[in-house]
Amino acid sequence: DAGVIQSPRHEVTEMGQEVTLRCKPISGHDYLFWYRQTMMRGLELLIYFNNNVPIDDSGMPEDRFSAKMPNASFSTLKIQPSEPRDSAVYFCASSFRAGFNYGYTFGSGTRLTVV
Amino acid sequence: DQQVKQNSPSLSVQEGRISILNCDYTNSMFDYFLWYKKYPAEGPTFLISISSIKDKNEDGRFTVFLNKSAKHLSLHIVPSQPGDSTVYFCAAGEYGNKLVFGAGTILRVKS
Repeated sequence: DAGVIQSPRHEVTEMGQEVTLRCKPISGHDYLFWYRQTMMRGLELLIYFNNNVPIDDSGMPEDRFSAKMPNASFSTLKIQPSEPRDSAVYFCASSFRAGFNYGYTFGSGTRLTVV
Repeated sequence: DQQVKQNSPSLSVQEGRISILNCDYTNSMFDYFLWYKKYPAEGPTFLISISSIKDKNEDGRFTVFLNKSAKHLSLHIVPSQPGDSTVYFCAAGEYGNKLVFGAGTILRVKS
């Protein structure tokens, strides 16, 4: 298995533009998580899905953020409109049984820069 | 409200000595605890875990200790190696629920 695959690896966009981050989880994992890493807050959970259904989106900072999981092999995180304070590394992770025992498998992340 | 706290942003240790990374949590409902390490340009990778029914778990050079009464978790690395230099995150969660991560501790092992 190739692991959790995120694209793009880097994204530079202008303030006000729409940004879409993509994630392909590990086949067979039924949980998918979107995290954001910043210097100030470390790794913070934005939203997670179980069997493609959003379970907890309390970490989504604003209505500008939305996430979807149309099927078991694909998820998107969209920011519209983007702002400079959204600049961070966004990680997608997947897990079997919500990380029981072995935790999550993370992708390599998307470094987002909003100028 | 930070449920998982790593109060030391960085730690510097001499090669061959012990590294001790600390983590405190506030939620008494947490059932399991994990440590991840993260290298630049990579996602965090799982290192070691412990469930709330144990107070110690060992894997090679890495040992995690859990003190439930103090709500404290620590990771011991013995002996420390230069290749261990990176960011370490502790995480905690309830079985079947999301993981909450600390802000991370940067470990530098000097040769």
